[in-house]
Amino acid sequence: EDQVTQSPEALRLQEGESSSLNCSYTVSGLRGLFWYRQDPGKGPEFLFTLYSAGEEKEKERLKATLTKKESFLHITAPKPEDSATYLCAVQATGGYNKLIFGAGTRLAVHP
Amino acid sequence: NAGVTQTPKFRVLKTGQSMTLLCAQDMNHEYMYWYRQDPGMGLRLIHYSVGEGTTAKGEVPDGYNVSRLKKQNFLLGLESAAPSQTSVYFCASSYPTYRVSSYNEQFFGPGTRLTVL
Repeated sequence: EDQVTQSPEALRLQEGESSSLNCSYTVSGLRGLFWYRQDPGKGPEFLFTLYSAGEEKEKERLKATLTKKESFLHITAPKPEDSATYLCAVQATGGYNKLIFGAGTRLAVHP
Repeated sequence: NAGVTQTPKFRVLKTGQSMTLLCAQDMNHEYMYWYRQDPGMGLRLIHYSVGEGTTAKGEVPDGYNVSRLKKQNFLLGLESAAPSQTSVYFCASSYPTYRVSSYNEQFFGPGTRLTVL
């Protein structure tokens, strides 16, 4: 069964304190792994797609990496505006673009 | 471009009442989806559509129906609401997977918060 597990559930950081969020997955065949950001009361906002092990993508203070079993979202020198819930999802090969989501990591960055 | 829009934003129903949630997208996407999001759980797919006039069941379809009469609209109906359907509902749209793979991310609407008493 395709499954996504994110850890930790919640993370509190001081401004400037770098850290990483983890997304572990099991999927029959990986077509893509997606990271989204979700602010309270809003819909998920697309950040990155990763397609193959070893791939990396960056956007401002965020960097996403992918291995055959997990993905990491590295946050370098975070700011309070980076506070949000970060969602990971996998898309299996075949099918109709179905995404399997993890429960998310709630990140709070304090000044 | 407005992207994906949803109406209403909030709704309170009594058990047994019915309602329809409307989703509209202006990105000319072929695929559309309805998800629900509950505390401590990931987004779960209710129904989806791969084109105008087509719909299919997702992970948690029971108690919901959908229709896609126009490419840009996707409706989610609750015929007889139950307290277990209290949730936040998100609509999303995307290009199909047979297009260039770097463009198949899903774009989400702002959500509808539904409470069933």
